Amino acid sequence: KNEVEQSPQNLTAQEGEFITINCSYSVGISALHWLQQHPGGGIVSLFMLSSGKKKHGRLIATINIQEKHSSLHITASHPRDSAVYICAVLPTQGGSEKLVFGKGTKLTVNP
Amino acid sequence: GAGVSQSPSNKVTEKGKDVELRCDPISGHTALYWYRQSLGQGLEFLIYFQGNSAPDKSGLPSDRFSAERTGGSVSTLTIQRTQQEDSAVYLCASSLASYSNQPQHFGDGTRLSIL
Repeated sequence: KNEVEQSPQNLTAQEGEFITINCSYSVGISALHWLQQHPGGGIVSLFMLSSGKKKHGRLIATINIQEKHSSLHITASHPRDSAVYICAVLPTQGGSEKLVFGKGTKLTVNP
Repeated sequence: GAGVSQSPSNKVTEKGKDVELRCDPISGHTALYWYRQSLGQGLEFLIYFQGNSAPDKSGLPSDRFSAERTGGSVSTLTIQRTQQEDSAVYLCASSLASYSNQPQHFGDGTRLSIL
């Protein structure tokens, strides 16, 4: 079983819709990252969370440490949001900086 | 300033050859990471450097893989006697420090194809 599970694997939405992508993990962590990978392959770090909620523009990320769950929300989605969204966690065990990645959620936003 | 730079952007080579991939991190970033993304697979950690400390090599898949970081800046990932399963995109990232609250900045990757 993968330590980091994302759902859904694929998501298609119409422009303007509210999007939620979920991430569940099975180990204790010190931080959780949300990354965006564009169709061309470039990866951008969106958020880093250890508790609570962060907001940047139309993107909101939340984390519930007790439930080992995080969500990434996109409000008023736009075709340019089409990308693969990747959740990654930094396990506390071992004290290393070794990120463990989910397999990603492919989002397509149609005009 | 410049972001993380990787070279070459694409590399095609024959099975059995050695390849060397290069990463120039953002100036001043002390932490440097190598990852691999195989077709249809998620990102996979390979190796991590922090300053002058011994690197965390726990993600290297075999002893054909090695990496160096000279002078705390540029890093090279070397794959010896390449195999077809080594075909993947190799990504480098750097961050300001090795703390969990620092974002990682990714390069555009090197797409490696083994014939």
